Amino acid sequence: EVQLLESGGGLVQPGGSLRLSCAASGFTFSSYAMSWVRQAPGKGLEWVSGMSSSGGSTDYADSVKGRFTISRDNSKNTLYLQMNSLRAEDTAVFYCAKSPLAPGGTDRYGMDVWGQGTTVTVSS
Amino acid sequence: DIQMTQSPSFLSASVGDRVTITCRASQSINSYLNWYQQKPGKAPKLLIYAASSLQSGVPSRFSGSRSGTDFTLTINSLQPEDFGTFYCQQSYSAPRTFGQGTMVEI
Repeated sequence: EVQLLESGGGLVQPGGSLRLSCAASGFTFSSYAMSWVRQAPGKGLEWVSGMSSSGGSTDYADSVKGRFTISRDNSKNTLYLQMNSLRAEDTAVFYCAKSPLAPGGTDRYGMDVWGQGTTVTVSS
Repeated sequence: DIQMTQSPSFLSASVGDRVTITCRASQSINSYLNWYQQKPGKAPKLLIYAASSLQSGVPSRFSGSRSGTDFTLTINSLQPEDFGTFYCQQSYSAPRTFGQGTMVEI
């Protein structure tokens, strides 16, 4: 069964850091682009960051650029999101998502498998 | 950044109705447009990718189309389980962006 399991969320003070992890199973992790998407309480979906299958290409939302870093360890089938300089407005459920196979190992065809989400709360 | 504008924000419909949700991109995104359904407390589910391709396992009453920078999600013969919030998302350029969502009440 294809599965994504996020971890690492929690309560952190403004200015603090967290590292989210997403453990993948049931598919050849290294062949697929991966992304992070978040959803603030009562709000819509916000794409946060994405990485190609090889890890050679990364992109970020303007709201997190320079503060968040996406990475992957294909030997451990794990995606990461390092979050620094956290702000109250980063409070959200963070989802890890896999993309279907697409040319160039990109996320052109959307995100077909999602984790259950991990909650990040930034508050003093 | 590419802006995605969905309409309507909310709609109430009955079982058996035909429902249409529209998403407009602020610039050309070719056909790199995806549709998702999200139910309360759950992760989103991919319904349509590349504007009109039905994701595996998704009922055929869901369909997508494109006209220039306007995209449409159509649900034929609405079923009770089709409630939730529907989002469009462009995957043409970074940063990827979602529409603001359309809540469907049955």
